[in-house]
Amino acid sequence: GAVVSQHPSRVICKSGTSVKIECRSLDFQATTMFWYRQFPKQSLMLMATSNEGSKATYEQGVEKDKFLINHASLTLSTLTVTSAHPEDSSFYICSATNWAGGYNEQFFGPGTRLTVL
Amino acid sequence: ELKVEQNPLFLSMQEGKNYTIYCNYSTTSDRLYWYRQDPGKSLESLFVLLSNGAVKQEGRLMASLDTKARLSTLHITAAVHDLSATYFCAVISNSGYALNFGKGTSLLVTP
Repeated sequence: GAVVSQHPSRVICKSGTSVKIECRSLDFQATTMFWYRQFPKQSLMLMATSNEGSKATYEQGVEKDKFLINHASLTLSTLTVTSAHPEDSSFYICSATNWAGGYNEQFFGPGTRLTVL
Repeated sequence: ELKVEQNPLFLSMQEGKNYTIYCNYSTTSDRLYWYRQDPGKSLESLFVLLSNGAVKQEGRLMASLDTKARLSTLHITAAVHDLSATYFCAVISNSGYALNFGKGTSLLVTP
């Protein structure tokens, strides 16, 4: 089956620093990748959608200058949380798919738990 | 805006009992997904339902989709403790491509 990895799985950083999270599709080419954020006891909230080679589309209320998304290849998307603050602490999950490849579902990565001190 | 409502949000049930989780959505869609999430983990895909009347079963779980009623159900048969988890339904509208998630149903199966 389609496998998506994320790195790192956990990260702890100081307030004001930037953190980069990688999302990779390991055995398929992902034309579209999605980034979600999940706070404790809550559902997943879509942050942005990225298509390979084009700018990400951000959901309302998500600061594009704070959450930088790059989808430079068909197997890699990165999310950089710039100048992180404690309120950015959350569980970040990516998913990937290839609609043109006939996939009808998104394949989820294992998630990255970010803690900002 | 596509809204997805799950109920119940919390469910405590005894082992061996049956129960159904409901997922209602607000706009036209024929793509509905069920996921399981264990504490501290990401999502595990359970079912992909792509047409009206679709029914899928895996073990003690069975999911169905009624696109006319905009309703999906996840039925649990003879629950066991290992089914304790949070279950999410998610819908992609026919005019979109992003998943819209329900709030999740936190299921606890007790002896």
